[in-house]
Amino acid sequence: AQSVAQPEDQVNVAEGNPLTVKCTYSVSGNPYLFWYVQYPNRGLQFLLKYITGDNLVKGSYGFEAEFNKSQTSFHLKKPSALVSDSALYFCAVRDSTLGRLYFGRGTQLTVWP
Amino acid sequence: EAGVTQFPSHSVIEKGQTVTLRCDPISGHDNLYWYRRVMGKEIKFLLHFVKESKQDESGMPNNRFLAERTGGTYSTLKVQPAELEDSGVYFCASSPNNRATYEQYFGPGTRLTVT
Repeated sequence: AQSVAQPEDQVNVAEGNPLTVKCTYSVSGNPYLFWYVQYPNRGLQFLLKYITGDNLVKGSYGFEAEFNKSQTSFHLKKPSALVSDSALYFCAVRDSTLGRLYFGRGTQLTVWP
Repeated sequence: EAGVTQFPSHSVIEKGQTVTLRCDPISGHDNLYWYRRVMGKEIKFLLHFVKESKQDESGMPNNRFLAERTGGTYSTLKVQPAELEDSGVYFCASSPNNRATYEQYFGPGTRLTVT
């Protein structure tokens, strides 16, 4: 069965500092992994995905994520955080046959000036 | 191109009443998904349409929930009768029938409050 864990409910970081939002997964078969972001009163916006290929995936707004098969992790990173990055971040894994997504509980990122 | 739209954005109803949520996917997207997030918990899958057919409805919580997608365009999700535990944010997502595109595009959600 597929599942995703986001071990941190909240991450706080100062503007300009690097940020990491953690995600671990459990899948049967090849992992198709995603990060989504939700700003207040908005829907989920796609940030990036890992399907195959390079372990370091680059996405929107300067975000990137590193796929680590041995640690079954897909942590979201950004070298220099902005206050505008403050939002709710969701990690998800796609069922390889049915297409449905399995989400983590979400991590609230707060970037303070 | 227009994104996924959902209506209404908010709905407050009393226990026992009926509510119908609507989702308009991105034009041309064959796949339509419904998800729900109960306060503070993970977003959970409800069901998946491919065009007008239900591909996977294993996430539907019980028979008080009825989803339709007439003509393979917009979809409705009816809750009848609503219970307190149905409160949450209902998201709709769509994706094209293209194996090169795995991401799903989400609407803004409908916040349902059952009192």
